[in-house]
Amino acid sequence: QKEVEQDPGPLSVPEGAIVSLNCTYSNSAFQYFMWYRQYSRKGPELLMYTYSSGNKEDGRFTAQVDKSSKYISLFIRDSQPSDSATYLCAMYRGNAGKSTFGDGTTLTVKP
Amino acid sequence: DGGITQSPKYLFRKEGQNVTLSCEQNLNHDAMYWYRQDPGQGLRLIYYSQIVNDFQKGDIAEGYSVSREKKESFPLTVTSAQKNPTAFYLCASSRTGGGGNQPQHFGDGTRLSIL
Repeated sequence: QKEVEQDPGPLSVPEGAIVSLNCTYSNSAFQYFMWYRQYSRKGPELLMYTYSSGNKEDGRFTAQVDKSSKYISLFIRDSQPSDSATYLCAMYRGNAGKSTFGDGTTLTVKP
Repeated sequence: DGGITQSPKYLFRKEGQNVTLSCEQNLNHDAMYWYRQDPGQGLRLIYYSQIVNDFQKGDIAEGYSVSREKKESFPLTVTSAQKNPTAFYLCASSRTGGGGNQPQHFGDGTRLSIL
């Protein structure tokens, strides 16, 4: 069983929709959580970085962490065609020296 | 502009040939990483280095080798022992290898194909 499981998708939504992307994890030692956005043929770009349980907001993006349920989410409000990409969740322990990534969810936002 | 530069963007390898992928960063980061990404899959860690002259195997190190002689550079060699090398290779760096400074920043990758 993988340490990090990500909703596989693909996901297709109309422009303006609210998008929810989700990951679960099994290792309770994970302390830091990230969301990356990856456009086709490009490297992943760090979108959100959180440490504690709760919500963190940045513009149209909200990252949510529930450590008790071992569940993280990324919400995108008022989705735009430019949000069409693959989204990867990632997490790590404090001194692990490496991150563990989900397999990614591909999102398409249709105009 | 600070960032991570990977070269070349596309690379072709003949059977039995070793090839080296370049990764340079000017972010003054201590830690560097190499990942492999196959279609529809996440990132799999090949090697990582938390400090100059030191590196550790990741989850899929067989058939690969690295060196870390300079802080800015972390080249990856795909050897002929790697039987299925066709993939998208991503290099990343982070300020340190642990604690709160670990979020990684990525280059734009090298796509390796077999001729």
